[in-house]
Amino acid sequence: DQQVKQNSPSLSVQEGRISILNCDYTNSMFDYFLWYKKYPAEGPTFLISISSIKDKNEDGRFTVFLNKSAKHLSLHIVPSQPGDSAVYFCAASDLIGNQFYFGTGTSLTVIP
Amino acid sequence: DSGVTQTPKHLITATGQRVTLRCSPRSGDLSVYWYQQSLDQGLQFLIQYYNGEERAKGNILERFSAQQFPDLHSELNLSSLELGDSALYFCASNSYMGGNSPLHFGNGTRLTVT
Repeated sequence: DQQVKQNSPSLSVQEGRISILNCDYTNSMFDYFLWYKKYPAEGPTFLISISSIKDKNEDGRFTVFLNKSAKHLSLHIVPSQPGDSAVYFCAASDLIGNQFYFGTGTSLTVIP
Repeated sequence: DSGVTQTPKHLITATGQRVTLRCSPRSGDLSVYWYQQSLDQGLQFLIQYYNGEERAKGNILERFSAQQFPDLHSELNLSSLELGDSALYFCASNSYMGGNSPLHFGNGTRLTVT
């Protein structure tokens, strides 16, 4: 049972525009959410996170939004750059942090 | 560089064989997690260790086992290998169990079973 879902396998965006990647979760016990970026032949790299007490967290060009009532989070990248082209995974864990559940990823292509 | 080291980077072996994958966590991290990524699949959680003790188990097959040693490095043992075990195996670590601490991943071991 997939507790974290990324329903868009791929996304293409023009350079300079906004990229919006979406993620849904089913477990209401999740309270910590993360986004990772993955290039081919490398491990996932931590990008940004948000705890359930917040609804927005910003770090430079990256902003994560959390809508707890809808069990939905999104990652906004503004402005998008060609170097942002990668696979993005969202992840979630509960208070204990014994397990981190990952989505299946969204492949972002930023077109120059 | 995440600080998490995985060896070897690539492993090619035959069905029925046994292999050991090794992971050194970031300096100071006590928790180690193992994940499997098969072709076109997400990251599937296998097992977690905290300071030498097993803390959580995911979809880990009985043919697979792991341990974390006193120096905090971890090994994942895969035995009676099948073609379907071919995958990327990632190790990740974080600073403590509980609370909000992101996982930091190694670059993985690509296992090919022929």
